[in-house]
Amino acid sequence: EADIYQTPRYLVIGTGKKITLECSQTMGHDKMYWYQQDPGMELHLIHYSYGVNSTEKGDLSSESTVSRIRTEHFPLTLESARPSHTSQYLCASSEVAGSRPTDTQYFGPGTRLTVL
Amino acid sequence: ILNVEQSPQSLHVQEGDSTNFTCSFPSSNFYALHWYRWETAKSPEALFVMTLNGDEKKKGRISATLNTKEGYSYLYIKGSQPEDSATYLCALGGAAGNKLTFGGGTRVLVKP
Repeated sequence: EADIYQTPRYLVIGTGKKITLECSQTMGHDKMYWYQQDPGMELHLIHYSYGVNSTEKGDLSSESTVSRIRTEHFPLTLESARPSHTSQYLCASSEVAGSRPTDTQYFGPGTRLTVL
Repeated sequence: ILNVEQSPQSLHVQEGDSTNFTCSFPSSNFYALHWYRWETAKSPEALFVMTLNGDEKKKGRISATLNTKEGYSYLYIKGSQPEDSATYLCALGGAAGNKLTFGGGTRVLVKP
């Protein structure tokens, strides 16, 4: 069973607030990802990291930022939340192992964010 | 961005019945197809990874087939049970750094 955790699970917050969504994994995986899922839509990759001090933007443009200071930790930050940021955010990780298309990604349970 | 489509978006199945649904994707530049099961309030769980045309995978009552030439995969649930109720996601594994491109999912509700 995958050990990847996200907090909080649910967050309701007002416009303009700074928020950080936490993601941690205990599997020692080098690669980590953030996906965003708007209601009724697909999961879209917004950020990923190959390892410590590595971050890249994903396929979907996002106003959020990420950092990777420790292998196990990959937080996502919104400096000023807006209603358009209302969405579900999922974190995932995988072993590098040559970065094969067959590599399984292990997901956290997600954070459901609502910005009023 | 690759276009991965799943149909139907949702389906209701009577307990004990079998069902299947589709994942369609561009057949060119295919590398790998992943299936995930996502139960409400839980983490998406990996079911299968398939790479070869004609691949068939099985896990309990759930199985999947792959046709890379025509660009589709079927997922089958035999003798559906209420615990099979979930959203089933397919995703393409790409050449660059194993990023996944997801379809919109098929939401399955098994009625007792």
